[in-house]
Amino acid sequence: DSGVTQTPKHLITATGQRVTLRCSPRSGDLSVYWYQQSLDQGLQFLIQYYNGEERAKGNILERFSAQQFPDLHSELNLSSLELGDSALYFCASSVETGGRADTQYFGPGTRLTVL
Amino acid sequence: AQSVAQPEDQVNVAEGNPLTVKCTYSVSGNPYLFWYVQYPNRGLQFLLKYITGDNLVKGSYGFEAEFNKSQTSFHLKKPSALVSDSALYFCAPRGSQGNLIFGKGTKLSVKP
Repeated sequence: DSGVTQTPKHLITATGQRVTLRCSPRSGDLSVYWYQQSLDQGLQFLIQYYNGEERAKGNILERFSAQQFPDLHSELNLSSLELGDSALYFCASSVETGGRADTQYFGPGTRLTVL
Repeated sequence: AQSVAQPEDQVNVAEGNPLTVKCTYSVSGNPYLFWYVQYPNRGLQFLLKYITGDNLVKGSYGFEAEFNKSQTSFHLKKPSALVSDSALYFCAPRGSQGNLIFGKGTKLSVKP
């Protein structure tokens, strides 16, 4: 158990809908990263938040957005869902002491299926 | 451009034999390199990382990795494979934005 929690575990929805995925980082970790794992694209970095602020953006679609709250949990919002958005969504957390040496610890993921 | 390559989609070994999962990388500056393992329908578990210092890094579950700067490689090794090691393995350098850069991974299959 990494200490990172994600809810829900599974999500099944229809095209055009909007969903919210939730992530709670490990105690003491200030940084949250979101990744998407799909058969087509593999594991891709979406976005990072550090202590409530957006820090880095990867291949995140405009239909997707995220935020990190004062208690440091993060939510990833996916809207106008398409079939191709079906994937495993992971969040990872790290302490982020300023260098790039910190380990990212991954949650169990949320499996999104868009029908 | 920052990238990682795991040249083998699948590695097959017999239980008790040594295993190697290959990784080469391309990053700017000093490399920070990580190995993760993913079991079916599970998240990624951290195995080990190279930051600086000794080129041989020891990690969890008896795994180790050898960093080679001249060959820009970071191969994962284990002296004696277990059936329970069968999983998907990812080598991931840290990108300039701080995110991990993943390749397609290598599926390790250990047969009894």
